[in-house]
Order: sequence, then C-alpha cells, then structure tokens
Amino acid sequence: GNSVTQMEGPVTLSEEAFLTINCTYTATGYPSLFWYVQYPGEGLQLLLKATKADDKGSNKGFEATYRKETTSFHLEKGSVQVSDSAVYFCALSPNTNAGKSTFGDGTTLTVKP
Amino acid sequence: DAGVIQSPRHEVTEMGQEVTLRCKPISGHDYLFWYRQTMMRGLELLIYFNNNVPIDDSGMPEDRFSAKMPNASFSTLKIQPSEPRDSAVYFCASSAKQGGHTGELFFGEGSRLTVL
Repeated sequence: GNSVTQMEGPVTLSEEAFLTINCTYTATGYPSLFWYVQYPGEGLQLLLKATKADDKGSNKGFEATYRKETTSFHLEKGSVQVSDSAVYFCALSPNTNAGKSTFGDGTTLTVKP
Repeated sequence: DAGVIQSPRHEVTEMGQEVTLRCKPISGHDYLFWYRQTMMRGLELLIYFNNNVPIDDSGMPEDRFSAKMPNASFSTLKIQPSEPRDSAVYFCASSAKQGGHTGELFFGEGSRLTVL
C-alpha cells in the first residue's frame, strides 16, 4: 500500500533560519505529491503540489521538488517567519480515479522571534 | 467561490447523546472525505464517497458511527451514542479527480466535538 513518512517534530527555529522538513513516500505508479499546512484552529490547506517527476512546487517562499529516484518531496524555505508556525503535512494522491490521499503524521513547526 | 462548509463549528454534548455533523462540499467535486483529528492519533480517514457512493469505510471506528451522502451537495456524519473518546475535530474535505484535477483536498474548517 501507499505510505508517507515525515520527519518527526516538533521543529523549533529562530526567525530567518533555513527550514527543511523531510518527506519520503512509497507508492505504485506516479502519484501527485502535496504539502498541506494547518494553522492553529483551522483546517488543512494546500501549500504546494507537484504532479510529476522533477516538478517543483512553490508558494509563499516554500519549495519542494518531486524526486522519483529518491521517492522524496522535502519541504524547504530559506528564511522562516513567526507566521510560518503551523503543522505541515506531506501527502500523496494516486493518479487513478479510485485513489484516496495518504498523509504523513505531520510536523509541528514553531518559529521564535 | 465558497469552500467546504461544515456545521456546527463547535459541539458540546453529554455521553450517550446523538451527534450529527454536516458538510457541504465544493460544487462539482466528486469525492468527499471525513477525517478525524486528535492529539493522540493524528489525522485519521474515517470514510470517503465517490459520486455519493461510500467507497471505503474501513476507518469508521465502530457501529456507533455512520455517514451518508444523500446528494452531491450534502453529507452527514452521525455518532450514536456518543462517548467521551469521540472528542476530536472532525474535518470534511472534497476533491475532484475527473477532468485532469490532481486530487488535492479542500478541507472545511472542522467541527470540534466535545463529549462530556
């Protein structure tokens, strides 16, 4: 079956530090890959996505590249802000009509001023 | 465009009472998912529908939980009778897999359930 493994948290960084949250996956075929973010008290929302190998998703200064050879989709940001404090989920969606998303366990990021 | 709409946002009830959570998916989406989120167990998929038909309910904890989708614009998750261990945030999400959509999920804001 499909699975997603995320770097365990929590992660605490100072403002303007570099962020990496590791994500690796196991899936048959060619899934689409996603990063979702959940701010306190809210639902999950899409942060970025990539639908095929070597695609780079980017949004709000965050980036992740779909690496099929290493089955990875690591999330990076060059300079985090306090407002980036949230829980980040890596997920995959199979490219079949009957597919359902598989989520990682989530990584809590706290950015201190 | 309205997103996924859930109600109620907060529900406090006593053990043994029936709880009904409601969800209106995004118009045109053909998949609907119910998730539960707790600190202990994280995000769990309870059940999902495709074109109003339940496809996989293997995540439903037990017979006290039931979900319906009578039409493309409405779904309910019912717990009867409720127990304190059902306290959690319940999320509804919808997605579209047809027409080249990539299957990204659109989540509602959640229904926070507290069972006393």
